[in-house]
Amino acid sequence: KAGVTQTPRYLIKTRGQQVTLSCSPISGHRSVSWYQQTPGQGLQFLFEYFSETQRNKGNFPGRFSGRQFSNSRSEMNVSTLELGDSALYLCASTSGRVPETQYFGPGTRLLVL
Amino acid sequence: AQSVTQLDSQVPVFEEAPVELRCNYSSSVSVYLFWYVQYPNQGLQLLLKYLSGSTLVKGINGFEAEFNKSQTSFHLRKPSVHISDTAEYFCAVINPTSGTYKYIFGTGTRLKVLA
Repeated sequence: KAGVTQTPRYLIKTRGQQVTLSCSPISGHRSVSWYQQTPGQGLQFLFEYFSETQRNKGNFPGRFSGRQFSNSRSEMNVSTLELGDSALYLCASTSGRVPETQYFGPGTRLLVL
Repeated sequence: AQSVTQLDSQVPVFEEAPVELRCNYSSSVSVYLFWYVQYPNQGLQLLLKYLSGSTLVKGINGFEAEFNKSQTSFHLRKPSVHISDTAEYFCAVINPTSGTYKYIFGTGTRLKVLA
């Protein structure tokens, strides 16, 4: 079974720009969660999508948004980038039932200049 | 609100020595607990998880963890570490009865194994 894939792996943007990150879950998984990882902060939960619906949301500003398609692939968008958005963005997939193990992708490393 | 505390941000240890990485959680209800490992330039992968039953949980690569309800702890241990264990380790908790399906992660402990 193919693992979770994330594209692109690396991105460099400037302040004020917007960015879209993509995540393809493991085949058959219907839940995709997104996390922001920064040094010292650990993993901060952004949101979770299940069957094309946002089921959970973390405490991030509205500049961070996401969506999920019918094939369970998910995208995350950040508008009006700020320097503090520089981070590793990880997505994780599960079948959607607790207490499923989350399977993580390798992440997208975003640098905002 | 639930939270997870990993008291040690960095733990250096010599090869073949034992190691314990500490994790404490705050929750007034039963929770499920996980340890994940992140190797450089990779995503996280599951080491072990506690759902119920025996409080001593064995995972991959020789790691084990003990659930202590009274101490609200879930410390990770390995009796003899290898250089290849150098990585960042994350403890996570989820409340299975909350209906939120939201995993809470600690800030991570960076394990550095020295030759």
